[in-house]
Amino acid sequence: KNEVEQSPQNLTAQEGEFITINCSYSVGISALHWLQQHPGGGIVSLFMLSSGKKKHGRLIATINIQEKHSSLHITASHPRDSAVYICAVTFGNEKLTFGTGTRLTIIP
Amino acid sequence: NAGVTQTPKFQVLKTGQSMTLQCAQDMNHNSMYWYRQDPGMGLRLIYYSASEGTTDKGEVPNGYNVSRLNKREFSLRLESAAPSQTSVYFCASSAGSGSRYEQYFGPGTRLTVT
Repeated sequence: KNEVEQSPQNLTAQEGEFITINCSYSVGISALHWLQQHPGGGIVSLFMLSSGKKKHGRLIATINIQEKHSSLHITASHPRDSAVYICAVTFGNEKLTFGTGTRLTIIP
Repeated sequence: NAGVTQTPKFQVLKTGQSMTLQCAQDMNHNSMYWYRQDPGMGLRLIYYSASEGTTDKGEVPNGYNVSRLNKREFSLRLESAAPSQTSVYFCASSAGSGSRYEQYFGPGTRLTVT
């Protein structure tokens, strides 16, 4: 079965800390997406990657195809980073399969 | 550009009632999707439309129908609502239907069926 697992489910950290959220998947994929869901409910795409590493501001996404694993890092975390971060992958059927999300809370 | 818009934002239905959730995008995207989000579960695909004039079932299509009215609009209909359809519904669109394309999401519709 094609599965996506995220860890941790919940993460609370102090402002300024370096954050890592992990995503593992069961079989080979075409692409991996990281999404952010704001407390108000809106969902925004952060990254789409199929190899290597991408960086946007304080956010960095990496993927290791051999290990079937991706990480999302946030440097110098800020309370406005508090959100649910969702990993999604496309398997052979080319449709997105979503993880259950990691709820991140940054305390001032 | 408004991106992807959904109406309504909130809705309460009684069991057996019907309703249509509306979605529109102004990005000239070919592909559109309907997802539902339930507590403790990832987003699940209900139906999608790879291009104007085509629709296909996703992972959880039972109890729903869709219409791709034109390139901009993709509606989701609940013919006879059930409490199990209480969920948050998201519409999304992308330029194409393959893995290379980023999806853009609407703000969601929170539906409660009593």
